[in-house]
Amino acid sequence: EAQVTQNPRYLITVTGKKLTVTCSQNMNHEYMSWYRQDPGLGLRQIYYSMNVEVTDKGDVPEGYKVSRKEKRNFPLILESPSPNQTSLYFCASSLLAGPQETQYFGPGTRLLVL
Amino acid sequence: AQKVTQAQTEISVVEKEDVTLDCVYETRDTTYYLFWYKQPPSGELVFLIRRNSFDEQNEISGRYSWNFQKSTSSFNFTITASQVVDSAVYFCALSPPPTGNQFYFGTGTSLTVIP
Repeated sequence: EAQVTQNPRYLITVTGKKLTVTCSQNMNHEYMSWYRQDPGLGLRQIYYSMNVEVTDKGDVPEGYKVSRKEKRNFPLILESPSPNQTSLYFCASSLLAGPQETQYFGPGTRLLVL
Repeated sequence: AQKVTQAQTEISVVEKEDVTLDCVYETRDTTYYLFWYKQPPSGELVFLIRRNSFDEQNEISGRYSWNFQKSTSSFNFTITASQVVDSAVYFCALSPPPTGNQFYFGTGTSLTVIP
């Protein structure tokens, strides 16, 4: 089944403890992206990647890192999480870069930083 | 600056009523794409429609229709004869040039359809 998977789905952590949220897609998509969803703010793009080893900042990249070493994986790294990074995170992918492509979203990861 | 405004935070309608969700966008670019996504209570995001800024034709898909008006920078979404399964949060989004790889979402409209 074609899908975007995220792990973990739920995570509670403490301030400053490094964490990684994984994102994987099995559709051979070139474009992948991370978003965070917060009440009253909608979805905001954190980082995106147009292909392996090609990443760029979205609207709210501060406090996050990403890497794209393999086409199928696009992990989101929080080196030193803070409570303001408590959010619902979505990974998405599309076959190619560009808005003419349909983005497929993962199920979301709910993160709580204490 | 790129911005998408969904002024309606929450809407409640009774089943079978028609409902329109508003979306107003801001961009200085002449070429861009607009989108609508649905987020049902289960949480996933489902793509509904994409519209190129050069294509101002309205679109109808079953009970769903979209009205794109460049003159008012609006891309409104109408559900005809609403059903309980339409209850969800709906997001409008904008993707401008140059690369079209960035996406700007509105804050969403939560629609509740009451049986």
